[in-house]
Amino acid sequence: GAGVSQTPSNKVTEKGKYVELRCDPISGHTALYWYRQSLGQGPEFLIYFQGTGAADDSGLPNDRFFAVRPEGSVSTLKIQRTERGDSAVYLCASSLTGTSGGIQYFGAGTRLSVL
Amino acid sequence: DQQVKQNSPSLSVQEGRISILNCDYTNSMFDYFLWYKKYPAEGPTFLISISSIKDKNEDGRFTVFLNKSAKHLSLHIVPSQPGDSAVYFCAATTPLGAGNNRKLIWGLGTSLAVNP
Repeated sequence: GAGVSQTPSNKVTEKGKYVELRCDPISGHTALYWYRQSLGQGPEFLIYFQGTGAADDSGLPNDRFFAVRPEGSVSTLKIQRTERGDSAVYLCASSLTGTSGGIQYFGAGTRLSVL
Repeated sequence: DQQVKQNSPSLSVQEGRISILNCDYTNSMFDYFLWYKKYPAEGPTFLISISSIKDKNEDGRFTVFLNKSAKHLSLHIVPSQPGDSAVYFCAATTPLGAGNNRKLIWGLGTSLAVNP
């Protein structure tokens, strides 16, 4: 497809488990972002990739969260030892470059529920 | 501390009338301001933006006004249509920072309902 694709759309897991969330950005976009959105809040920045490298990971809340983008396209957000407070919608966005004036293209998100 | 504030959680207008969504910010270093629109179960969609060196940008039915001295911007939708019913997020970008990232800082959103 032409847009940003995120899978799965919904993920239910138990406290303490490990989860992986996948993002397939728009072809040719070098910049990729992960955000987390809790109910009633705006998206909260987690991490930014320029190509294969994590250029800014200042938004990751703790070391249970990790993300990779090994070939500069698809990215995976990994959460270890999930906690109930991790429940949120995880959004992925891409843009042609990281320096464009904030215009990013978002996927529909993965709704993570930690029971 | 919320750097981008949308103080109205919801707004209801009649079809054909003007919708005005407001946004305030605290950081004078923000260099771009953007409005995103979000439908349920979808990601945010870029709508319109404005550079901090401008005071108005217009795109069809959508106009954004920026008042830097008041640290305030607004989105005007004229005329409003039922399909405009969505949550509207105001966002601002920081100047290029770590890794050349122009980070987006978001407000909490305003839910707009346009009634037929």
